[in-house]
Amino acid sequence: AQKVTQAQTEISVVEKEDVTLDCVYETRDTTYYLFWYKQPPSGELVFLIRRNSFDEQNEISGRYSWNFQKSTSSFNFTITASQVVDSAVYFCALYPPPKNEKLTFGTGTRLTIIP
Amino acid sequence: GAVVSQHPSRVICKSGTSVKIECRSLDFQATTMFWYRQFPKQSLMLMATSNEGSKATYEQGVEKDKFLINHASLTLSTLTVTSAHPEDSSFYICSALTRSSYNEQFFGPGTRLTVL
Repeated sequence: AQKVTQAQTEISVVEKEDVTLDCVYETRDTTYYLFWYKQPPSGELVFLIRRNSFDEQNEISGRYSWNFQKSTSSFNFTITASQVVDSAVYFCALYPPPKNEKLTFGTGTRLTIIP
Repeated sequence: GAVVSQHPSRVICKSGTSVKIECRSLDFQATTMFWYRQFPKQSLMLMATSNEGSKATYEQGVEKDKFLINHASLTLSTLTVTSAHPEDSSFYICSALTRSSYNEQFFGPGTRLTVL
């Protein structure tokens, strides 16, 4: 069985602070993909990143960075110098192709950036 | 990139009516599409997997007669909420699966259904 845990239900930080969103996953598959999506108030899911299980390199994209630790089954997401536009719900998801094409979503973390 | 559209984006209907939601892959063919439901402040819940030319596979607890799914072409899947009731009010999101090396799902913008 697969499971994604986002223990932080809601986080509020003051603008310009850094914030890390945690994601812990469980799977028996050796090949899988991990995703982060952003869901702003409009509701549309915005793809942020995809990481496959064989690539443990951390990634940085502008103010966003991701830390993949296979040893602890974690895929954490950090926003540096947060901005009000970062306010949204963030979902971590697990995808183990090819035999099971279903995305398993975490429960999401609602991030509020206080101006 | 791959684009998925949904229509309508928002619908309000009276209890007892049926509502059809369309999901289209605009620039790619999608043999598989997924339908999700999201209640306020909750995560996405997979309702069913829709494969072109065959019957949809429903998740446990989802009434197939209530939520009719048709995937008649490689670019269109429809979800019909039959005899809608207020408890069916929710945000419905579809996604389409590409056959790229990542088998990535692309999500539609969602349809907000309100049943009065």
